[in-house]
Amino acid sequence: GNSVTQMEGPVTLSEEAFLTINCTYTATGYPSLFWYVQYPGEGLQLLLKATKADDKGSNKGFEATYRKETTSFHLEKGSVQVSDSAVYFCALSDYQAGTALIFGKGTTLSVSS
Amino acid sequence: DAMVIQNPRYQVTQFGKPVTLSCSQTLNHNVMYWYQQKSSQAPKLLFHYYDKDFNNEADTPDNFQSRRPNTSFCFLDIRSPGLGDAAMYLCATSTRGSMNTEAFFGQGTRLTVV
Repeated sequence: GNSVTQMEGPVTLSEEAFLTINCTYTATGYPSLFWYVQYPGEGLQLLLKATKADDKGSNKGFEATYRKETTSFHLEKGSVQVSDSAVYFCALSDYQAGTALIFGKGTTLSVSS
Repeated sequence: DAMVIQNPRYQVTQFGKPVTLSCSQTLNHNVMYWYQQKSSQAPKLLFHYYDKDFNNEADTPDNFQSRRPNTSFCFLDIRSPGLGDAAMYLCATSTRGSMNTEAFFGQGTRLTVV
């Protein structure tokens, strides 16, 4: 079956540090890959997505590249801000096959000034 | 311009007393999902509707049921809430069959069982 594995947190960084959150997946079909962000007490917001191999998703300075050869979709940001503190979820779906969104366990990011 | 709206944001219910959570959408999406998210955990899919077709996850307890009277609305019914059902409940929508789609989430309803 499909699954997502992401690095354990929490990740604690100083402002302007480089961020990487690792995510790998297992899928039987051709999934789309997503990163969602959740701020305290809120629902999930889509951060970025990629729908096929070698696609790069980007938003608000965050980037992730769909790597089929390594089944990975690592999240990166060159310079984090305090406002980036949140929980980040890697997810996959295969909507054409009717597979609903499956999430990794989430990684908590805490950025201090 | 909220597109997926969940009501209420916070719900307190008594142990064993039926409770209903609601979700509405303005996106005209054909798929609606209910997820349960407990503290510091990933959202767990309970069930989803593709149009009127109901799809229950194998490990969703019988205590949880859902209704979708029309495209815009979907309800989560918990027949006899237990203390273990206290969680954030997230509603989401998407369009099935499109490659370049994603799920849109509401802000969630935090359920407390007393």
